[in-house]
Amino acid sequence: QVQLQESGPGLVKPSETLSLTCTVSGGSISGYYWSWIRQPPGKGLEWIGWIYYNGATNYNPSLQSRVTMSVDTSKNHFSLNLYSVTAADTALYYCARYIPVTQKSLDMWGQGTMVTVSS
Amino acid sequence: QSALTQPASVSGSPGQSITISCTGTSSDVGDYNYVSWYQLHPGKAPKLLIYDVNNRPSGVSNRFSGSKSGNTASLTISGLQAEDEADYYCYSFSSSISYVFGTGTKVTVL
Repeated sequence: QVQLQESGPGLVKPSETLSLTCTVSGGSISGYYWSWIRQPPGKGLEWIGWIYYNGATNYNPSLQSRVTMSVDTSKNHFSLNLYSVTAADTALYYCARYIPVTQKSLDMWGQGTMVTVSS
Repeated sequence: QSALTQPASVSGSPGQSITISCTGTSSDVGDYNYVSWYQLHPGKAPKLLIYDVNNRPSGVSNRFSGSKSGNTASLTISGLQAEDEADYYCYSFSSSISYVFGTGTKVTVL
């Protein structure tokens, strides 16, 4: 059974970089599209972007100028960097896998990791 | 790009059926059959309930069903159970920003 686990600092200072890693276990990262999603406290889900196992990416236009994603197939993990963070970036961050059939839905998710932006 | 519109809350008694709507535009829900639905319980990983409008992944109860008409997709939960009390989100492919979530619906079992 494939499992996803987010990891990274729970507290980031304003203007600094939020860096998270999603480690995939029980299956290979190769051949799939992967995604980051976030949920600010008391608000809805927001799609951040996707990364393919070969490194191709696509980001939400509202975050594109501050986001990069990367993948390391040797470590079976992928990562998120969000630059110049503000309090508005405080959220529960999830990583997820796109379903292999049509690659348009997310069939496996991590439990999420809370990141707070505060000095 | 605005989120897809869902009712903030829906409630029903055990055994009843409820329907959650998800309204988008011709750039997302209306133009693509790539709407999916997710169930969120606090502290747990979100769960995929429906993909590509009306397909259920293996292991998902057949009490959950999806449909679409025009720019509006719907999730129906039949035979409502206490364990169905959760937040539900729709999600669609979009020609403008690639993907967009709905605003979310809190389901309460009375």
